[in-house]
Amino acid sequence: DQQVKQNSPSLSVQEGRISILNCDYTNSMFDYFLWYKKYPAEGPTFLISISSIKDKNEDGRFTVFLNKSAKHLSLHIVPSQPGDSAVYFCAALAGGGNKLTFGTGTQLKVEL
Amino acid sequence: DTGVSQDPRHKITKRGQNVTFRCDPISEHNRLYWYRQTLGQGPEFLTYFQNEAQLEKSRLLSDRFSAERPKGSFSTLEIQRTEQGDSAMYLCASSNQRGSYNEQFFGPGTRLTVL
Repeated sequence: DQQVKQNSPSLSVQEGRISILNCDYTNSMFDYFLWYKKYPAEGPTFLISISSIKDKNEDGRFTVFLNKSAKHLSLHIVPSQPGDSAVYFCAALAGGGNKLTFGTGTQLKVEL
Repeated sequence: DTGVSQDPRHKITKRGQNVTFRCDPISEHNRLYWYRQTLGQGPEFLTYFQNEAQLEKSRLLSDRFSAERPKGSFSTLEIQRTEQGDSAMYLCASSNQRGSYNEQFFGPGTRLTVL
């Protein structure tokens, strides 16, 4: 039972363009969402998060949008850079808990 | 380097052997987590500690798995009588209690291969 879903296993974008990574969730108890980036042979690195009381959070080139009614969030990267090429994981927390529930990840490739 | 560290980075063992992994969290982080990641999947929660107390365990953590954090600093994860299905990346993370939620910072992981 996949409670956090990333339906696109891969995404290819040209350098300088916008990358949009999508994530859907099914558990209504989730109220905090995070994005992590993972390079090969390294652990996930925290990127940005958003609480369910907000619909947008921005940090530099990274913006996360949350649509609670649709149970959908997205990560926008503008402009995309070759160093952004990595696997991106969406994760969620519920009710003040500590157990992160992850999606299966999206491999982003930023091409020159 | 003040990040989360894990040791060893790679472990190859034969089925039936016991293995132990170590995690050193970011200093002064009072929460420590263990996750497991298999190929093509996201990390899956195994267990977490607040200081030395183990407060939650996943159903994934069978009786062959045991985790400790004896002094509230580093933690060990032991797998007894390893099986081929235990082959995975074992990730450790730590966080500081700050409000309701706090970001978890991950180590590089220990890749376990059971032959």
